[in-house]
Amino acid sequence: EVQLAESGGRLVQPGGSLRLSCAASGLTFSSYSMNWVRQAPGKGLEWVSYISSSSSTIYYADSVKGRFTISRDNAKNSLYLQMNSLRVEDTAVYYCARGGYYGDYIAYWGQGTLVTVSS
Amino acid sequence: EIVMTQSPATLSVSPGERATLSCRASQSVSSSLAWYQQKPGQAPRLLIYGASTRAPGIPARFSGSGSGTEFTLAISSLQSEDFAVYYCQHYNSWTFGQGTKVEIK
Repeated sequence: EVQLAESGGRLVQPGGSLRLSCAASGLTFSSYSMNWVRQAPGKGLEWVSYISSSSSTIYYADSVKGRFTISRDNAKNSLYLQMNSLRVEDTAVYYCARGGYYGDYIAYWGQGTLVTVSS
Repeated sequence: EIVMTQSPATLSVSPGERATLSCRASQSVSSSLAWYQQKPGQAPRLLIYGASTRAPGIPARFSGSGSGTEFTLAISSLQSEDFAVYYCQHYNSWTFGQGTKVEIK
């Protein structure tokens, strides 16, 4: 069974930094692309960032480009999101999400970790 | 930039009835379209990818159709567990629609 477990979410002040982690199990982690997707309270889904299986290809949403950095450690079956210069509008549940076998749809989602940016 | 537009925003349906949800792309996305279901307090779940292929374990009452710019998710006979929010996504650009809430009539 595929399991994705996010951690690292907490209350942080505007301008602060935070690092989210996602521990993967039940899959050959190194074979799949990974994503971060977020959902602000009461709002819809917003894709944040994508990383290919080998880390050779990385994309970011315009809303986080230059502030967030995605990375992965295939030896540790882990995905990361370094979040800098946080803004109030970054407040959301952040989901770790695995890409599909036949394309870059999201086949599996973690349960999410809440990031609150507030003074 | 591709924009995905879902309609209606809210769909009121009685249990056992058929529900039809629409998703429109601002330009052709071929068949790179996925549908997800999200229940309150839960993570989303993949229903459909490739516009019409059901994900493993998804009941046959869920079906997807369309290509290019017009897509449909149909739920043939709504069960109590199907009342949720549904999102479409063009996964080559990772763009989500704004969601359709399916509520009990």
